[in-house]
Amino acid sequence: AIQMTQSPSSLSASVGDRVTITCRASQDVRGDLGWYQQKPGKAPKLLIYAVSSLQTGVPSRFSGSGSATDFTLTISSLQPEDFATYYCLQDYDYPLTFGPGTKVDIK
Amino acid sequence: QVQLQESGPGLVKPSQTLSLTCTVSGGSLNSGSYYWSWIRQPAGKGLEWIGRIYGSGNANSNPALSSRVSLSVDTSKNQFSLRLTSVTAADTAVYYCARGSRFLGWQFDYWGQGILVTVSS
Repeated sequence: AIQMTQSPSSLSASVGDRVTITCRASQDVRGDLGWYQQKPGKAPKLLIYAVSSLQTGVPSRFSGSGSATDFTLTISSLQPEDFATYYCLQDYDYPLTFGPGTKVDIK
Repeated sequence: QVQLQESGPGLVKPSQTLSLTCTVSGGSLNSGSYYWSWIRQPAGKGLEWIGRIYGSGNANSNPALSSRVSLSVDTSKNQFSLRLTSVTAADTAVYYCARGSRFLGWQFDYWGQGILVTVSS
């Protein structure tokens, strides 16, 4: 199975900060990489698909980049509603695998 | 608007079988542009993909669970189901059903609200 890692596992930031989360795959996943936001008690929400495509309705402060094994989610200016846990997901190969998550909380 | 809703027992005894159903409204399970998945999350932990099924009935599951997992689909009821046999406390989790979309690189665009299943005697 393709192993996904994320860094950092958690971070503290302030409103308005630029936040970057990294996801690394144990092998090339081509462009089959997405990012999700999850708030406590809620289902995950798709933010980014195909590495860098913004899901409909997601604010443009979210962006994704990367290729092969190294990917990044960037929040350009953190808003109060962005405090949550973020997961990457590769769907290049079975089994689909999620990263362990990055928790973003208030500084 | 597509909606997914999980249903099933919230408490299952060890060694028994966990059975969950996801009812889909606002969309058809028959479309080849989507597949239907189960994903679970133990309390305070990350997400684990369990498996997926197409409206045709073709299915794949996580090798870590595949010997215990059975997926099925009932297009007449617009439902798909999960059976997980021989459960232990390690299977205690919130179980989500979700839709993977070809238009979104097969990522999951719609999710159910989740159902907590506790394995305990």
